[in-house]
Amino acid sequence: EAGVAQSPRYKIIEKRQSVAFWCNPISGHATLYWYQQILGQGPKLLIQFQNNGVVDDSQLPKDRFSAERLKGVDSTLKIQPAKLEDSAVYLCASSSDGSGNTIYFGEGSWLTVV
Amino acid sequence: AQSVTQLGSHVSVSEGALVLLRCNYSSSVPPYLFWYVQYPNQGLQLLLKYTTGATLVKGINGFEAEFKKSETSFHLTKPSAHMSDAAEYFCAVSGAGFQKLVFGTGTRLLVSP
Repeated sequence: EAGVAQSPRYKIIEKRQSVAFWCNPISGHATLYWYQQILGQGPKLLIQFQNNGVVDDSQLPKDRFSAERLKGVDSTLKIQPAKLEDSAVYLCASSSDGSGNTIYFGEGSWLTVV
Repeated sequence: AQSVTQLGSHVSVSEGALVLLRCNYSSSVPPYLFWYVQYPNQGLQLLLKYTTGATLVKGINGFEAEFKKSETSFHLTKPSAHMSDAAEYFCAVSGAGFQKLVFGTGTRLLVSP
């Protein structure tokens, strides 16, 4: 089966610009996650969707980050305006549901803010 | 609240030697525990997971881990390292019924000939 698809793979922007990342989860997966992985650190959950509803966005910097999953399938993560400290890999992941089901990760979108 | 501590940001072994990557967790509920591997410029791939049942869990590529509740540990082992095992390894914890994975800071495994 097809894995989690993300685009773009790489993006370089200047600070204060905006950027958007797209994610298409594995077909049929109800739960979608966005993680931020800063170089040298483990991934940190930004937001979790169950279908098109938000389950957890407690660590999402809402003054500059936004995410949506309007039809309960693919999702977009936006950063506006970007700061230097937003340079990271943004990982999208999906799972069929909770209760210990495996979470599958995409290859990530690498953001460099200069 | 849940957290994971991975001891050692870097571990170096020789090819053919035992691999031991340490992970200790803290969880207020019965934990689900995971090991993921990340190769350069790639996403995370699940190696193995513990949810319930047998405490010794076998995963892909010859890796295994043992859940020890008394020690709050979930160390990853492999009897004989291969050059292709060189990668970053992440331990993660979640609670049953929801899927918020909390990751450790990772351990980079270096394998020398």
